[in-house]
Amino acid sequence: QTVVTQEPSFSVSPGGTVTLTCGLSSGSVSTSSYPSWYQQTPGQAPRTLIYNTDTRSSGVPDRFSGSILGNKAALTITGAQADDESDYYCVLYMGGGIRLFGGGTKLTVL
Amino acid sequence: EVQLLESGGGLVQPGGSLRLSCAGSGFTFSSSAMSWVRQAPGKGLEWVSTISGSGVSSYYADSVKGRFTISRDNSKNTLYLQMNSLRADDTAVYYCARGPTSLLIVDWGQGTLVTVSS
Repeated sequence: QTVVTQEPSFSVSPGGTVTLTCGLSSGSVSTSSYPSWYQQTPGQAPRTLIYNTDTRSSGVPDRFSGSILGNKAALTITGAQADDESDYYCVLYMGGGIRLFGGGTKLTVL
Repeated sequence: EVQLLESGGGLVQPGGSLRLSCAGSGFTFSSSAMSWVRQAPGKGLEWVSTISGSGVSSYYADSVKGRFTISRDNSKNTLYLQMNSLRADDTAVYYCARGPTSLLIVDWGQGTLVTVSS
Protein backbone atom coordinates (compact mmCIF):
# COMPACT_ATOMS: atom_id res chain seq x y z
CA GLN A 1 0.00 0.00 0.00
CA THR A 2 1.61 3.23 -1.17
CA VAL A 3 1.60 6.07 1.32
CA VAL A 4 2.09 9.80 0.68
CA THR A 5 4.73 11.09 3.06
CA GLN A 6 5.06 14.54 4.62
CA GLU A 7 7.13 15.85 7.49
CA PRO A 8 4.92 15.63 10.61
CA SER A 9 6.13 18.99 11.84
CA PHE A 10 8.40 21.84 10.85
CA SER A 11 9.48 25.08 12.42
CA VAL A 12 10.49 28.35 10.76
CA SER A 13 11.52 31.73 12.08
CA PRO A 14 9.52 34.82 11.12
CA GLY A 15 10.87 36.13 7.83
CA GLY A 16 12.57 32.84 7.10
CA THR A 17 12.17 30.33 4.28
CA VAL A 18 10.89 26.80 4.65
CA THR A 19 10.40 23.98 2.15
CA LEU A 20 7.86 21.27 2.91
CA THR A 21 7.99 18.06 0.90
CA CYS A 22 5.53 15.46 -0.34
CA GLY A 23 6.83 12.06 -1.36
CA LEU A 24 5.80 8.49 -1.95
CA SER A 25 6.70 5.51 0.23
CA SER A 26 7.33 3.68 -3.03
CA GLY A 27 8.25 5.54 -6.19
CA SER A 28 8.81 9.11 -7.25
CA VAL A 29 6.58 12.15 -7.49
CA SER A 30 6.49 13.89 -10.87
CA THR A 31 4.31 16.46 -12.61
CA SER A 32 2.14 13.51 -13.65
CA SER A 33 1.20 13.19 -9.99
CA TYR A 34 -0.46 16.64 -10.30
CA PRO A 35 0.60 17.59 -6.77
CA SER A 36 -1.48 20.16 -4.94
CA TRP A 37 -0.99 21.89 -1.60
CA TYR A 38 -3.56 23.04 0.94
CA GLN A 39 -3.38 25.14 4.07
CA GLN A 40 -5.73 24.50 6.98
CA THR A 41 -6.15 26.18 10.33
CA PRO A 42 -8.16 24.53 13.13
CA GLY A 43 -11.90 24.57 12.57
CA GLN A 44 -11.61 25.93 9.04
CA ALA A 45 -12.00 24.39 5.61
CA PRO A 46 -8.83 23.78 3.63
CA ARG A 47 -7.55 26.59 1.43
CA THR A 48 -5.87 25.74 -1.85
CA LEU A 49 -2.40 27.22 -2.19
CA ILE A 50 -0.89 25.42 -5.18
CA TYR A 51 -2.34 23.00 -7.72
CA ASN A 52 -0.92 21.14 -10.70
CA THR A 53 2.61 21.29 -9.24
CA ASP A 54 3.22 25.03 -9.41
CA THR A 55 0.02 26.94 -10.22
CA ARG A 56 -0.82 29.40 -7.47
CA SER A 57 -4.49 29.52 -6.57
CA SER A 58 -6.36 32.82 -6.85
CA GLY A 59 -5.42 35.29 -4.13
CA VAL A 60 -2.44 33.31 -2.84
CA PRO A 61 0.61 35.52 -2.32
CA ASP A 62 3.74 34.77 -4.32
CA ARG A 63 5.52 33.91 -1.06
CA PHE A 64 4.11 30.45 -1.70
CA SER A 65 5.54 28.42 -4.55
CA GLY A 66 5.38 24.81 -5.68
CA SER A 67 7.91 22.66 -7.48
CA ILE A 68 9.35 19.20 -7.92
CA LEU A 69 12.59 18.72 -5.98
CA GLY A 70 14.28 15.46 -6.78
CA ASN A 71 11.67 12.75 -6.39
CA LYS A 72 9.27 14.81 -4.26
CA ALA A 73 6.83 17.67 -4.63
CA ALA A 74 7.77 20.73 -2.63
CA LEU A 75 6.02 23.75 -1.17
CA THR A 76 8.31 26.68 -0.40
CA ILE A 77 7.25 29.55 1.81
CA THR A 78 9.49 32.59 1.78
CA GLY A 79 9.26 35.45 4.25
CA ALA A 80 7.28 33.36 6.72
CA GLN A 81 4.66 35.23 8.70
CA ALA A 82 2.90 34.42 11.95
CA ASP A 83 -0.35 33.62 10.18
CA ASP A 84 1.42 30.98 8.08
CA GLU A 85 1.29 28.81 11.19
CA SER A 86 -1.09 26.09 9.98
CA ASP A 87 -1.37 22.52 8.86
CA TYR A 88 -0.27 21.89 5.28
CA TYR A 89 -1.49 18.96 3.21
CA CYS A 90 -0.44 17.68 -0.17
CA VAL A 91 -2.43 15.41 -2.46
CA LEU A 92 -1.14 13.28 -5.31
CA TYR A 93 -2.91 11.67 -8.24
CA MET A 94 -2.10 7.95 -8.20
CA GLY A 95 -3.70 6.98 -11.49
CA GLY A 96 -6.97 5.19 -12.16
CA GLY A 97 -8.89 8.12 -10.72
CA ILE A 98 -7.42 7.61 -7.28
CA ARG A 99 -5.77 10.34 -5.25
CA LEU A 100 -4.08 10.21 -1.85
CA PHE A 101 -3.50 12.91 0.73
CA GLY A 102 -0.39 13.08 2.81
CA GLY A 103 -0.67 13.02 6.57
CA GLY A 104 -0.01 16.76 6.79
CA THR A 105 2.75 18.96 8.19
CA LYS A 106 2.16 21.14 11.21
CA LEU A 107 4.13 24.34 10.62
CA THR A 108 5.16 26.46 13.58
CA VAL A 109 6.40 30.01 13.09
CA LEU A 110 8.58 31.08 16.01
CA GLU B 1 -17.06 33.70 -6.89
CA VAL B 2 -17.19 29.94 -6.49
CA GLN B 3 -19.51 28.85 -3.71
CA LEU B 4 -20.07 25.30 -2.50
CA LEU B 5 -22.68 24.67 0.18
CA GLU B 6 -22.94 21.26 1.77
CA SER B 7 -25.97 19.95 3.62
CA GLY B 8 -27.37 16.70 4.93
CA GLY B 9 -24.95 15.89 7.72
CA GLY B 10 -26.08 14.71 11.12
CA LEU B 11 -26.16 11.86 13.60
CA VAL B 12 -26.83 8.37 12.26
CA GLN B 13 -26.64 4.93 13.83
CA PRO B 14 -24.08 2.35 12.70
CA GLY B 15 -25.39 0.50 9.67
CA GLY B 16 -27.59 3.43 8.72
CA SER B 17 -27.67 5.64 5.63
CA LEU B 18 -27.32 9.33 4.91
CA ARG B 19 -27.28 11.46 1.76
CA LEU B 20 -25.14 14.56 1.55
CA SER B 21 -25.78 17.34 -0.94
CA CYS B 22 -23.59 20.13 -2.25
CA ALA B 23 -25.03 23.09 -4.13
CA GLY B 24 -22.59 24.86 -6.41
CA SER B 25 -22.72 28.39 -7.77
CA GLY B 26 -20.45 30.96 -9.37
CA PHE B 27 -19.03 28.56 -11.94
CA THR B 28 -20.13 26.29 -14.79
CA PHE B 29 -21.17 23.28 -12.74
CA SER B 30 -21.46 20.82 -15.61
CA SER B 31 -17.88 21.53 -16.72
CA SER B 32 -16.36 20.90 -13.31
CA ALA B 33 -15.23 17.68 -11.73
CA MET B 34 -16.56 17.38 -8.19
CA SER B 35 -15.17 15.54 -5.22
CA TRP B 36 -15.86 14.65 -1.62
CA VAL B 37 -13.03 14.83 0.91
CA ARG B 38 -13.46 14.00 4.59
CA GLN B 39 -11.63 14.71 7.81
CA ALA B 40 -12.14 12.64 10.93
CA PRO B 41 -11.89 14.53 14.25
CA GLY B 42 -8.27 15.45 14.91
CA LYS B 43 -7.08 13.66 11.77
CA GLY B 44 -5.87 14.59 8.31
CA LEU B 45 -7.70 14.94 5.02
CA GLU B 46 -8.90 11.81 3.21
CA TRP B 47 -10.05 11.77 -0.40
CA VAL B 48 -13.38 9.94 -0.69
CA SER B 49 -14.70 10.17 -4.24
CA THR B 50 -14.63 12.15 -7.50
CA ILE B 51 -17.10 12.41 -10.36
CA SER B 52 -16.47 13.88 -13.80
CA GLY B 53 -18.39 16.88 -15.08
CA SER B 54 -20.66 14.75 -17.24
CA GLY B 55 -21.18 12.23 -14.45
CA VAL B 56 -20.02 9.39 -16.67
CA SER B 57 -16.90 8.61 -14.65
CA SER B 58 -16.65 8.20 -10.89
CA TYR B 59 -13.91 7.02 -8.57
CA TYR B 60 -13.81 5.91 -4.95
CA ALA B 61 -11.35 5.36 -2.14
CA ASP B 62 -11.06 1.72 -1.12
CA SER B 63 -12.40 2.61 2.33
CA VAL B 64 -15.82 3.55 0.91
CA LYS B 65 -16.07 1.52 -2.29
CA GLY B 66 -19.28 -0.48 -2.40
CA ARG B 67 -20.88 1.57 0.40
CA PHE B 68 -20.86 5.15 -0.92
CA THR B 69 -22.19 6.42 -4.26
CA ILE B 70 -21.35 9.79 -5.75
CA SER B 71 -23.74 11.39 -8.23
CA ARG B 72 -24.68 14.77 -9.63
CA ASP B 73 -27.64 16.61 -11.11
CA ASN B 74 -26.24 19.20 -13.50
CA SER B 75 -29.72 20.68 -14.03
CA LYS B 76 -29.77 21.56 -10.32
CA ASN B 77 -26.03 22.33 -9.94
CA THR B 78 -25.96 19.82 -7.14
CA LEU B 79 -23.57 17.06 -6.08
CA TYR B 80 -24.60 14.14 -3.90
CA LEU B 81 -22.99 11.47 -1.76
CA GLN B 82 -25.19 8.54 -0.79
CA MET B 83 -23.63 6.81 2.20
CA ASN B 84 -24.85 3.35 3.19
CA SER B 85 -23.72 0.82 5.80
CA LEU B 86 -22.17 3.60 7.82
CA ARG B 87 -19.55 2.76 10.41
CA ALA B 88 -18.11 4.64 13.36
CA ASP B 89 -14.94 5.35 11.39
CA ASP B 90 -16.98 7.24 8.79
CA THR B 91 -17.46 9.96 11.40
CA ALA B 92 -15.94 13.09 9.88
CA VAL B 93 -16.49 16.50 8.40
CA TYR B 94 -17.29 15.95 4.74
CA TYR B 95 -16.11 18.63 2.34
CA CYS B 96 -17.42 19.18 -1.16
CA ALA B 97 -14.72 20.29 -3.57
CA ARG B 98 -14.43 21.39 -7.17
CA GLY B 99 -11.73 21.05 -9.77
CA PRO B 100 -11.24 22.23 -13.35
CA THR B 101 -10.45 18.62 -14.23
CA SER B 102 -10.90 15.27 -12.52
CA LEU B 103 -7.21 15.42 -11.65
CA LEU B 104 -7.42 18.50 -9.45
CA ILE B 105 -9.17 19.80 -6.33
CA VAL B 106 -9.15 23.61 -6.18
CA ASP B 107 -12.24 25.03 -4.46
CA TRP B 108 -13.74 23.87 -1.17
CA GLY B 109 -17.01 24.10 0.70
CA GLN B 110 -17.22 24.70 4.44
CA GLY B 111 -18.06 21.09 5.24
CA THR B 112 -20.85 19.16 6.95
CA LEU B 113 -20.39 16.94 9.99
CA VAL B 114 -21.45 13.31 9.88
CA THR B 115 -21.47 11.44 13.19
CA VAL B 116 -22.01 7.69 13.24
CA SER B 117 -22.86 6.57 16.73
CA SER B 118 -25.44 4.60 18.65
